[in-house]
Amino acid sequence: QVLLVQSGAEVKEPGASVKVSCKTSGYIFTNYYLHWVRQAPGQGLEWVGRIRPDTGVTYYAQRFQGRVSMTMDTSISTAYMELSRLTSGDTVVYYCARGLYDRYFDFWGQGTLVTVSS
Amino acid sequence: QSALTQPASVSGSPGQSITISCTGTSSDVGGYNYVSWYQQHPGKAPKLIIYDVNNRPSGISDRFSGSKSGNTASLTISALRAEDEADYYCNSYTSGNTLAIFGGGTKLTVL
Repeated sequence: QVLLVQSGAEVKEPGASVKVSCKTSGYIFTNYYLHWVRQAPGQGLEWVGRIRPDTGVTYYAQRFQGRVSMTMDTSISTAYMELSRLTSGDTVVYYCARGLYDRYFDFWGQGTLVTVSS
Repeated sequence: QSALTQPASVSGSPGQSITISCTGTSSDVGGYNYVSWYQQHPGKAPKLIIYDVNNRPSGISDRFSGSKSGNTASLTISALRAEDEADYYCNSYTSGNTLAIFGGGTKLTVL
């Protein structure tokens, strides 16, 4: 079955960077886009960006450009999202989600809580 | 770019039907048939329940249905059950400064 398993919770200081991983299984990694979505406590969903595993091409939401980097390792079917210059506003749960292109997200990881605190 | 507009909350009794609206613009909901809906229970990851406006993934009950008219998409849940109580989010492909935009979410309470 399709599974997306994310790395564990992180606690970071303001100004630091965080890198979250998303290990996939149960499908051909390069056949689907990999999106990242985040959710602040008690708030709604926000699209962060996505990577095309077949080409490595990325597309980021404008408000994260310059601060986010999405990469992948096709040999282990794993995607990564790194966010830099963290602030308290980045205390959220990050989800990875498999996408049929940019149309919809059919399978999701379990979420990774990133807490930014001094 | 602002989020798609959803009502903050809706409620219904078991067995009833409810509809959740999702209003965008011609750059997103109105311009593409790429509207999807997600159900999220507390502490859980979102779950896809409708894609491409009115299609259900395998395993999703036919009590869930979607539609679109102009810049507004809708999710209808019929024959409400207690387990339908959750947050619901719409999403659309967009030609704006982001590829995908979510609604603010709607909390469904089953009375």
